[in-house]
Amino acid sequence: DAGVTQSPTHLIKTRGQQVTLRCSPKSGHDTVSWYQQALGQGPQFIFQYYEEEERQRGNFPDRFSGHQFPNYSSELNVNALLLGDSALYLCASSWGSGPAAFFGQGTRLTVV
Amino acid sequence: KQEVTQIPAALSVPEGENLVLNCSFTDSAIYNLQWFRQDPGKGLTSLLLIQSSQREQTSGRLNASLDKSSGRSTLYIAASQPGDSATYLCAVGGVYGGATNKLIFGTGTLLAVQP
Repeated sequence: DAGVTQSPTHLIKTRGQQVTLRCSPKSGHDTVSWYQQALGQGPQFIFQYYEEEERQRGNFPDRFSGHQFPNYSSELNVNALLLGDSALYLCASSWGSGPAAFFGQGTRLTVV
Repeated sequence: KQEVTQIPAALSVPEGENLVLNCSFTDSAIYNLQWFRQDPGKGLTSLLLIQSSQREQTSGRLNASLDKSSGRSTLYIAASQPGDSATYLCAVGGVYGGATNKLIFGTGTLLAVQP
C-alpha cells in the first residue's frame, strides 16, 4: 500500500501564475481533504472532497479550487498566485466518516 | 468556533528525560483528537488517535490522554531520545460545516532532545 502520495514535491512559481497540485489517496479511501501550512503554523483546512463533490471549504478565496476524480484522486488548483500562497500543501485521505489520519508528504510551493 | 492551543511553543530537554506536551481546545464537541509528528519540511505522521469516548491511548513510549470536559489533552513522552526531535501537532476532529472529520490544528510544539 503506497499510502497517500502527492506530486510534485516542490514547485516554484511566479506571482500571477496558476498551479495544480495532485493527490492520490490511500487505497480504499474515498474522502480527500486539503490543508495549507504556512511556515511556523499549523495546517489550515482548505476544502474536502467526497464523491467528486466539494463537501466543505475553509476560509480561502475562490482562487483556490479543486476536483475529485472517479478514482478518488484529487487536484488542488490555485489561480493568480500571490507571494502569501507560499506554503506546504498537504493532502489527507480517509474513508467515509473515518478519521483523517493519513497525510501525504506535501507539496512545497514557493511563489516568487 | 473551535480553537486549539498548544503549550509550550518550544521545548528543549536532555536525552532520557520524560516530558509532557499540552493541548487545549475550546469546544468539547469533538469526534476525536490526534497527535501528529512533523519533521522539518515533511508531511504529518499520526502518532496517536483518541476517540471521543476514550480517555487515553498508548503506543510504545508515547501516551496521550483526553479530558473532553476540560478541553485538554496531553502527550507524554517517556525516556526521550534525540530521534524524538520534531514538531508535535495536536488536532481535533469533528463535523464542522458538513466536512466529516475536518481537523483543526494547534500551532505545534517544537521539541529538541539534546544528546
